[in-house]
Amino acid sequence: EIVLTQSPATLSLSPGERATLSCRASQSVNIYLTWFQQKPGQAPRLLIYDASKRATGIPARFSGSGSGTDFTLTISSLEPEDFAVYYCQQRSSWPSLTFGGGTKVEIK
Amino acid sequence: EVQLLESGGGLVQPGGSLRLSCAASGFTFSNFAMSWVRQAPGKGLEWVSSITSSRGTTYYADSVKGRFTISRDNSKNTLYLQMNSLRAEDTAIYFCAKDAFDFWGQGTLVTVSP
Repeated sequence: EIVLTQSPATLSLSPGERATLSCRASQSVNIYLTWFQQKPGQAPRLLIYDASKRATGIPARFSGSGSGTDFTLTISSLEPEDFAVYYCQQRSSWPSLTFGGGTKVEIK
Repeated sequence: EVQLLESGGGLVQPGGSLRLSCAASGFTFSNFAMSWVRQAPGKGLEWVSSITSSRGTTYYADSVKGRFTISRDNSKNTLYLQMNSLRAEDTAIYFCAKDAFDFWGQGTLVTVSP
């Protein structure tokens, strides 16, 4: 099973600051890495797929990069609505899919 | 507008069974693979099962293999998850998701407790 490790577990930032979230895979997942955002009481929302492609309707302040085993989600300037938990997911080993443990972005 | 609406959750005793449903609308259901993902209280996301669009080939996480069965009725635009031999560790919110996880339902809570 491919294990995804997200860091940090919690990121404390202020609105307007840049957020950098990391996702590391235990083996190469090529570019098959997806990022989701989840707010309390809500379903996850697709942000980025195939490592760097923004999903429909996702603001340009969200960007993804990386390939192989190391990936980054960057939020260029945090808006109040961006404070949430972010998960990465790999589909390289489809049909066995795995998620990372999540990074909580909280208001400092 | 794509909509996914789960139902069927509730309180069940260990060893019991439950069937979840996910009613889909706003897209051609039969053309897309579908999945179930769960989230235990206060925890992260865990993929449970997927089913392909055409042949209906099914896939399961090791944690549910042999106990859960995913199925679909394309004539009713509905996805199902039959859960048998339920355990306390199956307690979670169960989400259905379309294809590349681009759309999700709001989830249905399953609680396994005496």
